[in-house]
Amino acid sequence: EAQVTQNPRYLITVTGKKLTVTCSQNMNHEYMSWYRQDPGLGLRQIYYSMNVEVTDKGDVPEGYKVSRKEKRNFPLILESPSPNQTSLYFCASSLNRGSEKLFFGSGTQLSVL
Amino acid sequence: EDQVTQSPEALRLQEGESSSLNCSYTVSGLRGLFWYRQDPGKGPEFLFTLYSAGEEKEKERLKATLTKKESFLHITAPKPEDSATYLCAVKENYGQNFVFGPGTRLSVLP
Repeated sequence: EAQVTQNPRYLITVTGKKLTVTCSQNMNHEYMSWYRQDPGLGLRQIYYSMNVEVTDKGDVPEGYKVSRKEKRNFPLILESPSPNQTSLYFCASSLNRGSEKLFFGSGTQLSVL
Repeated sequence: EDQVTQSPEALRLQEGESSSLNCSYTVSGLRGLFWYRQDPGKGPEFLFTLYSAGEEKEKERLKATLTKKESFLHITAPKPEDSATYLCAVKENYGQNFVFGPGTRLSVLP
């Protein structure tokens, strides 16, 4: 089944403790992206990648890192999480950067205490 | 700066009661306007892409329309399974990124 898989679904952590949220897609998509979703603000893009070893900042990149060493994986790294990074995170992929249809994972609810 | 607003924030309908959701956008040059459906605990799921004013797309009880400043998602004779949050997004001509609106939370009561 074609899908985008994120792990974990839920994560509670404390300020400053490094964490990684994993994202994997099995559709051979070139384009992958991370969003955060906050009430009243909609989905905001954190980082995106147009292909292996090519990443770029989205609208809200501060406090986040990403890497794209393999085509299928695009982990999101929070090196020193803070409470304002408490949010619902989604990974998404599409065939390429010109594609109009994004496929989303099921989300990761992160709470930073 | 590209902006997308959606109204109403929440909408409660009785089963069979048709209505419309609004998406207003500001973008320098529109490449496409997109509608997604998001169920609780899940990621958004693609519904439609509209490219130019006057265009319409239909899927079951949903019809999306586009003007130069806004899009409407018309829901005809909705059923409880249509309950979800509906997200609107735009992409500008030379942009890499989608800009999403905050969504409309639709509840259809039996």
